[in-house]
Order: sequence, then C-alpha cells, then structure tokens
Amino acid sequence: DTGVSQDPRHKITKRGQNVTFRCDPISEHNRLYWYRQTLGQGPEFLTYFQNEAQLEKSRLLSDRFSAERPKGSFSTLEIQRTEQGDSAMYLCASIGGFGANVLTFGAGSRLTVL
Amino acid sequence: GQQLNQSPQSMFIQEGEDVSMNCTSSSIFNTWLWYKQEPGEGPVLLIALYKAGELTSNGRLTAQFGITRKDSFLNISASIPSDVGIYFCAGPPLSGTYKYIFGTGTRLKVLA
Repeated sequence: DTGVSQDPRHKITKRGQNVTFRCDPISEHNRLYWYRQTLGQGPEFLTYFQNEAQLEKSRLLSDRFSAERPKGSFSTLEIQRTEQGDSAMYLCASIGGFGANVLTFGAGSRLTVL
Repeated sequence: GQQLNQSPQSMFIQEGEDVSMNCTSSSIFNTWLWYKQEPGEGPVLLIALYKAGELTSNGRLTAQFGITRKDSFLNISASIPSDVGIYFCAGPPLSGTYKYIFGTGTRLKVLA
C-alpha cells in the first residue's frame, strides 16, 4: 500500500489552457474525493465518487471542471480554459472498507495559472 | 463552500506550552476528524472521534467530541517546534451524504 498518489505535483500553465490531474487512491478504497485548497483556507469539497459513480458535486465545480473515475480505480480532474482564479492546490483523498470514515489524502497537485 | 469555524485562527506559543483549539458547526456531526497540514503537503490524520463525549489521545494530542455533537476540541501538551503547521477539523454532517467538510484551520507557530 503506497497511499494516495497524485500527479503532477506541480503544474504551471497559461490562462486558457486545459490541465488534467490524476489521482490513484489506496487500492481497496471505494470512495474517492477531490478538494480544492487556496492559500490560507481549508480544503473545499469539489466532488466524490463511490466506485465509478460520481455521487455529489459542489457548486464550485463549474462547467469547465470535469472529474471521472472510469473503472472505479484512478480518477482524473480536468480543468478546461483555465483562469487565474483556478490557481490552487487540488487534493485527492480516498476512503474504503466496512465502516471506514477517515479520509486519507494525497500530497496534492499545485496549479499555477499565469 | 460550507466550512466549519475554528478558533483561534492562529497562535504563537512558546515551546513547552499547552495549546487548545476548537471547532464549531451549526450542524450535527457523527464523526470528527483532526488533521495537520504542513506546507506543500496534503493533510495528515491525527485523531478520529466517533461518539459524543469521546476523549481520544494520540501521544501529546488529545481531542474531544463535544456532547452537543456540534463541536470538537484539540489539545496539544508540551508543544515542540515540529508541532508547527495548520490544524484542521473535518467531518461529514449528519445529513445523509458522505460529503466531508473542513474547518478554516488554526495556524500554529511554536517559538523555541
């Protein structure tokens, strides 16, 4: 068990470009979460998956954002036509197993939009 | 987005002092989690609480699940320089979803 992995750790892009982040959760975890964190703030919920089903999305997740978890394993978060306000740390977390209710986080993907 | 209220927002303390922080919500929670985050990293779990009134320790850290189920407290005894970081409370409100929300954080700085 190598924990939750996120890639890339850092991404610098120009406004208007598309970016994609990947998250590999702990292998037996069936729930996967995406959060956004800006400087000085706590993580803000974006969306979560139970296996491959996306069960809840925040209003923060505008139509430029899309998340997938096609086979119930890894997940991707894509941001289209990036804006400077998208600059943030994007955190992935997972939970799994009977009765589990503790989120385990990855190290995050930091996005800077110039 | 929805967040829990944490206080204090930040604190400077001397090494060896005890630290107390709290987290409050307008909603009832059935689980409270406390995390620590260091710069450039994801949050790391410190303590999980599952029952109203529960008091749980992890080394020098002690956390309590408030009796009203709308608050939680974290204490750090005899602080050391490596306690520096941001402490977050988190949990799923008792509303039937698995959406976990986070507090606004308490930034701790320890003066040697």
